[in-house]
Amino acid sequence: NAGVMQNPRHLVRRRGQEARLRCSPMKGHSHVYWYRQLPEEGLKFMVYLQKENIIDESGMPKERFSAEFPKEGPSILRIQQVVRGDSAAYFCATNTQTHTEAFFGQGTRLTVV
Amino acid sequence: DQQVKQNSPSLSVQEGRISILNCDYTNSMFDYFLWYKKYPAEGPTFLISISSIKDKNEDGRFTVFLNKSAKHLSLHIVPSQPGDSAVYFCAASRPYTDKLIFGTGTRLQVFP
Repeated sequence: NAGVMQNPRHLVRRRGQEARLRCSPMKGHSHVYWYRQLPEEGLKFMVYLQKENIIDESGMPKERFSAEFPKEGPSILRIQQVVRGDSAAYFCATNTQTHTEAFFGQGTRLTVV
Repeated sequence: DQQVKQNSPSLSVQEGRISILNCDYTNSMFDYFLWYKKYPAEGPTFLISISSIKDKNEDGRFTVFLNKSAKHLSLHIVPSQPGDSAVYFCAASRPYTDKLIFGTGTRLQVFP
């Protein structure tokens, strides 16, 4: 049973470009959470999705950031017109239902140059 | 507003001794607490969790204690091993959601 898969592991983008981060949940997991970790900080919640639905996006910046979890395929975190401050590690976590262990992926390290 | 706090950024413990990592929270609505371990350049790995209806949960060398009146939880690792050296994060969530609020982490170093 493969774990949570995130790709790419590393992503370099120039300012103004778009970044697409992908997260494939563990088999049978229908809940996806995205977190961002800035250098020397803890993980900050961004968005919680279930299949085809955004449940909680209270941690998402109001502009340039969007997320989806389509019926088929991975969850996508999309950052438009990236700026240097978007440089961070982005992690997704998945589980089957509330208050069960959430498994994390290896993360995508985004560097904006 | 930091709702989950880990006030010790680092801890150094000798191999074989007990490691105690502490975590405080401010939101009395939290009802589920977790500890994660993280190595550099990897994702967090789940260690142990506890529901607010319990005050202790044990799994092998790891025990988590919850003191609701003090809004405090701790992770005990005994005996500590060099492979335990990592950053440890505590996290909390409220009912009906797994939106986790993380602390800032404690870097544990276990030396021989």
